[in-house]
Parts: sequence; C-alpha cells; structure tokens
Amino acid sequence: QSALTQPASVSGSPGQSITISCTGTSSDVGSYNLVSWYQQHPGKAPTLMIYEVSKRPSGVSNRFSGSKSGNTASLTISGLQAEDEADYYCCSYAGSTTFGVFGGGTKVTVL
Amino acid sequence: QLQLQESGPGLVKPSETLSLTCTVSGGSISSSNYHWGWIRQPPGKGLEWIGSIYYSGSTYYNPSLKSRVTISVDTSKSQFSLKLSSVTAADTALYYCARHRWGIQLYHFDYWGQGTLVTVSS
Repeated sequence: QSALTQPASVSGSPGQSITISCTGTSSDVGSYNLVSWYQQHPGKAPTLMIYEVSKRPSGVSNRFSGSKSGNTASLTISGLQAEDEADYYCCSYAGSTTFGVFGGGTKVTVL
Repeated sequence: QLQLQESGPGLVKPSETLSLTCTVSGGSISSSNYHWGWIRQPPGKGLEWIGSIYYSGSTYYNPSLKSRVTISVDTSKSQFSLKLSSVTAADTALYYCARHRWGIQLYHFDYWGQGTLVTVSS
C-alpha cells in the first residue's frame, strides 16, 4: 500500500479538464509544500511535470497545473489531449525520518 | 543535456546482492545543488524511492529498505551505485536512477535514467 492515495483511474474527453487527487497526511502533504507530479508513458521513464506543489519545469505545457489544500494535493490537466494519456504519480517530502513517499499512480485515459 | 544511464546484471539469484551503477554525463555529479537517487517500480506497480546520496557521500535511505541498502558515489567516474542485499522475488523491478533536487524547499526528481529491469530468480 502506497503512502499517498491516488485514484486508480481518471478519464476525460479531448478538450475537457480532469483533476487527479493525491491524499496524504499531516506528516507529508499537509506539512510541506514539496509535492511533485510525474507523467509516465508506457515503457518510458517518469517525467517531472510539477514541483513544489504548483511550479512547472521549463518545457512543460501550461495545461498542467498543481495545487494543494490541507492533506490533499491535486494535478489538473486542462484541454485534455490524446498525448496526455499516461500514468501520473505524486510524490511528497515526508520529514527527516521517512524522507520521501510516492502515490500509487493514476491512469489517465482520453476517451 | 544531463543524461543518466543505469547498468548492471538483469538477473540476480534469491538471497544474493543486487548491484547497479548509474553513470552521469552532460553535467557534474559533484554539484552542490543536487543529490542522486534510486527509485524502483515493480512490474505493473507504482514507484518506490530507495535512497539518495550527496556527492560528499551523505546517504539517505527509505526506512523500509534501510537494513539492506547501500548507496555509494565515485565522483572521479561520475557514477553512483546501489547495492541491495538478501534479495527476494519481491525485489524484482525496474530500477531507475535520477537526479534528486533536495534542499531547503526542494524535493523532486528532475532527470531520470531509462531504467533497467532486474529479475530475482534462481
């Protein structure tokens, strides 16, 4: 069982917006603005999409945005495109004993 | 462009030690701004952080694996390595190395290797 809880799957039609949740605890997501999100296409390595809750690395589309409320972080993909179909993982710093934890992953399907 | 490349045996026998090396190119492994990490992904499952190392040799391990993990760095070769002892079938996974941005208000993995599959089987 993963430390952070994500829905197993989320789907949407092209052009729509979807949101993926990532629920942790007051020891990880709730305590630190150090949530990151990764996109993983089949057979490929993960790619950083969001870091520090809402910052986008250079080259990542502004259709991807991140936010956090309490113990839950969220990744929103707006203007959904076929190329967005992939698995998405959240990750959070969890303090000086546990350090870092990942979510179980969410499969995004573009209908 | 920074590149990371994992290397090592693809098959390890149960109870033996898994050993992998990550070679970093296109950037300095000795930069003061970065750690270097190992993450694994069992087939069809999610990601699990194994541990990370700073170029000075300071290490940080996942508490659930700490008793079996050793990560080391060789700055002269721009390499860092993973050793996981007493492996079982549960350690079968795709193993990734990654650059780990870790510091004050920093915690994410911004460059990843392509991954290498390690199977534990007799």
